[in-house]
Amino acid sequence: AQSVTQLDSHVSVSEGTPVLLRCNYSSSYSPSLFWYVQHPNKGLQLLLKYTSAATLVKGINGFEAEFKKSETSFHLTKPSAHMSDAAEYFCVVSDRNTPLVFGKGTRLSVIA
Amino acid sequence: NAGVTQTPKFQVLKTGQSMTLQCAQDMNHNSMYWYRQDPGMGLRLIYYSASEGTTDKGEVPNGYNVSRLNKREFSLRLESAAPSQTSVYFCASAGGTVRGTGRGEKLFFGSGTQLSVL
Repeated sequence: AQSVTQLDSHVSVSEGTPVLLRCNYSSSYSPSLFWYVQHPNKGLQLLLKYTSAATLVKGINGFEAEFKKSETSFHLTKPSAHMSDAAEYFCVVSDRNTPLVFGKGTRLSVIA
Repeated sequence: NAGVTQTPKFQVLKTGQSMTLQCAQDMNHNSMYWYRQDPGMGLRLIYYSASEGTTDKGEVPNGYNVSRLNKREFSLRLESAAPSQTSVYFCASAGGTVRGTGRGEKLFFGSGTQLSVL
């Protein structure tokens, strides 16, 4: 069975500095991996997804993530944080015929 | 473009009361899902429906029932609400069956239902 671990429950960065949100996964097969974002009092929105094509995946709003099979990681990065990036971020894994499994989330705070 | 519509947005129940959360999607999607979101727990799958006419248990199905009324609608019922069911509930849909979703399909989410059980 697949699982996902988000290594930080809360990350705080200053506006204009890089963002790194860490995610490790476990899967018996070649997984599909996703990052979703949830702004306060909103539903979830897909940021990006990996489905065994290019290992560096670009998403919306300047975010990207790199799939590293040897490290079983799928960390989310952004070169320069913006105030509007403050939100909850979820790493998600799915393999074969199973529904998606969500990580517990990382809350990103951006300080002016 | 409505997407996924959930009703109600807010609900307060007393312990032992019953209620049904409604979800409808207008994207002709095959699979639909109910999740609950609790602080520090992420989203946990309650039930899902891979296609019209089928439903399956997820990670936390106890205390809930579901009905896939037709391709558009997927309802979640609490027969006898308990304080432990206080949560935010999200409905989601995806174009494929579970197999399709497992290979990278995007989930579309509703805006959520905030449920409090006193």
